[in-house]
Amino acid sequence: QKEVEQNSGPLSVPEGAIASLNCTYSDRGSQSFFWYRQYSGKSPELIMFIYSNGDKEDGRFTAQLNKASQYVSLLIRDSQPSDSATYLCALGGNKLIFGAGTRLAVHP
Amino acid sequence: NAGVMQNPRHLVRRRGQEARLRCSPMKGHSHVYWYRQLPEEGLKFMVYLQKENIIDESGMPKERFSAEFPKEGPSILRIQQVVRGDSAAYFCASSPVGRRQGETQYFGPGTRLLVL
Repeated sequence: QKEVEQNSGPLSVPEGAIASLNCTYSDRGSQSFFWYRQYSGKSPELIMFIYSNGDKEDGRFTAQLNKASQYVSLLIRDSQPSDSATYLCALGGNKLIFGAGTRLAVHP
Repeated sequence: NAGVMQNPRHLVRRRGQEARLRCSPMKGHSHVYWYRQLPEEGLKFMVYLQKENIIDESGMPKERFSAEFPKEGPSILRIQQVVRGDSAAYFCASSPVGRRQGETQYFGPGTRLLVL
């Protein structure tokens, strides 16, 4: 049974700071990893995906993957109040296996 | 380019009635996935379909739930004899190719089902 663990939060950061969201997974064979953002009452929105060890940057977002430690993270630089949402980590494959999500609150 | 379409967006049913949820994938996408999100819980996979085929239904409850993706028309998730515990948001996602590891799935707006 594949599992994905996330701290439920809330993670509270001041505007302009770096938000660090973390995720661990149980299946060593997992090859692909996704970060989705979900605003309250809305559907998940893809932020980034990562397949290889190391960092992947896209604008203010950086995904980090360490397969040896079974750990994937998402960094949000220059956090904005509009980044306040639940961030979902997911393992890829024929079906996505989601973590419970981490609530991020960015306060002015 | 239209995204994943779902309807209805909100559905209210009384216990014992049937609920039918529809999903049209993004243009060019032939793989459809259904997920359920119970209140204050994470997204859970239900079923993965291609046209006229169910590929993986390991997340579907054994009774009352069924899904199809016909050759023509949208994918349908059908819940018979609904109970209050079926109240949830049901999301559909689509991808162009399903078998390749890491294929990105794009989500529709969801159907919020409320069972009275």
